[in-house]
Amino acid sequence: QKEVEQDPGPLSVPEGAIVSLNCTYSNSAFQYFMWYRQYSRKGPELLMYTYSSGNKEDGRFTAQVDKSSKYISLFIRDSQPSDSATYLCAFPGYSSASKIIFGSGTRLSIRP
Amino acid sequence: KAGVTQTPRYLIKTRGQQVTLSCSPISGHRSVSWYQQTPGQGLQFLFEYFSETQRNKGNFPGRFSGRQFSNSRSEMNVSTLELGDSALYLCASRQTSGGYNEQFFGPGTRLTVL
Repeated sequence: QKEVEQDPGPLSVPEGAIVSLNCTYSNSAFQYFMWYRQYSRKGPELLMYTYSSGNKEDGRFTAQVDKSSKYISLFIRDSQPSDSATYLCAFPGYSSASKIIFGSGTRLSIRP
Repeated sequence: KAGVTQTPRYLIKTRGQQVTLSCSPISGHRSVSWYQQTPGQGLQFLFEYFSETQRNKGNFPGRFSGRQFSNSRSEMNVSTLELGDSALYLCASRQTSGGYNEQFFGPGTRLTVL
């Protein structure tokens, strides 16, 4: 079993829709939970990070963590074409915060 | 403040050759990490350097090596290239090695091995 599972998509939704992206993980030692966004031909950029169960909101983005189920989600409200990118869940390694373990990424396309 | 820069952006090599990739971190950042991104394996951690010392290492063969200079700039070297080494190599910098502080990624070097 892989440490992190993420549906690779692709996921295509119309503009304005609510998008739900999800990851499951197996290592209960993970303490921080992150979402990165990667545009084509660019490096990943940190979108959100949290270290507790529950919800964290930042504008149109909401990160949700359920530690008991080892499940994290990212919700995008009022999706825009500029949100079209690959979204990666990520977990700083338990031995080093630099050793980030990434999900495989979900490719998202927002149709105008 | 300038972001993480990587050179070259694109590289084509043949099997058996070696390659050196360069990374300049954000000013003031002393930790540099390298990642390999492929369609099949995704983003995988290679190693981290801090104060010219390798702090952490991923599960890659010894053909992959790196170093960091006193100005925090880092280089990554891959010797005896294999077809499977074709990938996007990403460098990321952050202020310190310990604890949690955000990593900032560069645009990557796309390596193609023929």
